[in-house]
Amino acid sequence: AQSVTQPDIHITVSEGASLELRCNYSYGATPYLFWYVQSPGQGLQLLLKYFSGDTLVQGIKGFEAEFKRSQSSFNLRKPSVHWSDAAEYFCAVADLNDMRFGAGTRLTVKP
Amino acid sequence: DTGVSQDPRHKITKRGQNVTFRCDPISEHNRLYWYRQTLGQGPEFLTYFQNEAQLEKSRLLSDRFSAERPKGSFSTLEIQRTEQGDSAMYLCASSLTREDTQYFGPGTRLTVL
Repeated sequence: AQSVTQPDIHITVSEGASLELRCNYSYGATPYLFWYVQSPGQGLQLLLKYFSGDTLVQGIKGFEAEFKRSQSSFNLRKPSVHWSDAAEYFCAVADLNDMRFGAGTRLTVKP
Repeated sequence: DTGVSQDPRHKITKRGQNVTFRCDPISEHNRLYWYRQTLGQGPEFLTYFQNEAQLEKSRLLSDRFSAERPKGSFSTLEIQRTEQGDSAMYLCASSLTREDTQYFGPGTRLTVL
């Protein structure tokens, strides 16, 4: 069965610093991969997705993610974090019928 | 606003009562999904509809849970005889096709006392 692991429950970075959030998945074939962000009181917002093709995917708000098949990873990156990026980030893997989410990584941004 | 909407946003109920939530997907989206999210966890898939047909149900969806999408537009999720363990955020999402992005609503937070 497909599964998603986000090893970091909570990450704190300083504003302006770079960010990398880790995501590992388990799936038999090439999955559909997603990163969503959830702010308090807000719905999940899609940052980016990977279906096929170029393994480096650009998303909204300056985020990017790289699909590495050999490592079963889909890590999210941002070169310079803004205070407004503080939120919960979820990695997800989907097949034909459902989507599985990781437990999430809470990002705190220090001024 | 043309996004996914959910009603109510918050629901407090006593154990044993029935509750019903509504989801209005993005217009013309054929697929509609329900998820449950508990504190500190990612959303867990409950069920999904392709138009009015309910095509898959998670084992999380006990017989106290029922979902409908009668005309292939809005959907309702009913929980009968609520238990404290049902307290969670219930999320709805819709997509145009199987491969399309799922767009999420703001959720309904259920608290069972």
